[in-house]
Amino acid sequence: DSGVTQTPKHLITATGQRVTLRCSPRSGDLSVYWYQQSLDQGLQFLIQYYNGEERAKGNILERFSAQQFPDLHSELNLSSLELGDSALYFCASSDLAGGHTGELFFGEGSRLTVL
Amino acid sequence: DQQVKQNSPSLSVQEGRISILNCDYTNSMFDYFLWYKKYPAEGPTFLISISSIKDKNEDGRFTVFLNKSAKHLSLHIVPSQPGDSAVYFCAARQKSSGDKLTFGTGTRLAVRP
Repeated sequence: DSGVTQTPKHLITATGQRVTLRCSPRSGDLSVYWYQQSLDQGLQFLIQYYNGEERAKGNILERFSAQQFPDLHSELNLSSLELGDSALYFCASSDLAGGHTGELFFGEGSRLTVL
Repeated sequence: DQQVKQNSPSLSVQEGRISILNCDYTNSMFDYFLWYKKYPAEGPTFLISISSIKDKNEDGRFTVFLNKSAKHLSLHIVPSQPGDSAVYFCAARQKSSGDKLTFGTGTRLAVRP
């Protein structure tokens, strides 16, 4: 158990819809990262938040947005969903001060299926 | 632009033998390299890492080797066990561009009893 909690674990929705994925980081971790894993692909970095502020942005689509709340949990919002958005979405957290090895701790992921 | 590459999508090894997983990178600014292991229906879990100033790091059955001149790293598992069967991801960090990790596409290791 990494200590990172993601909900929901599975989500099935239709094209054009909007969904919200939620992540609670490990206790004490200020940094949250979102990654997308499509079929047979590596993990693609989407966005990082640190203590409520956006810190780094990857190849995140304009239809996607995220935020980190004062209690440090984070939400990833996916809108106008397309079939190609079907993927595993992982959240990870780290304590930047102690993460000198670069290690991120991953949740179990949210599997999104768009029909 | 694939900065971290794992060119072997799969590898099959006999139990007790050595497993060697390879990873190549293009960005010379990466300062840390990590290996993650992923079982189905679980998130990736950290396995071992190496700083760019080292050429070897060992942890039990797992050893990571870094060849900076070739921009290549490898993970050795000795001896391989059936429980090692999983997908292994190579990842790299460039501290100057934040703490995100850039991942390869993974290698699926199957250890045959």
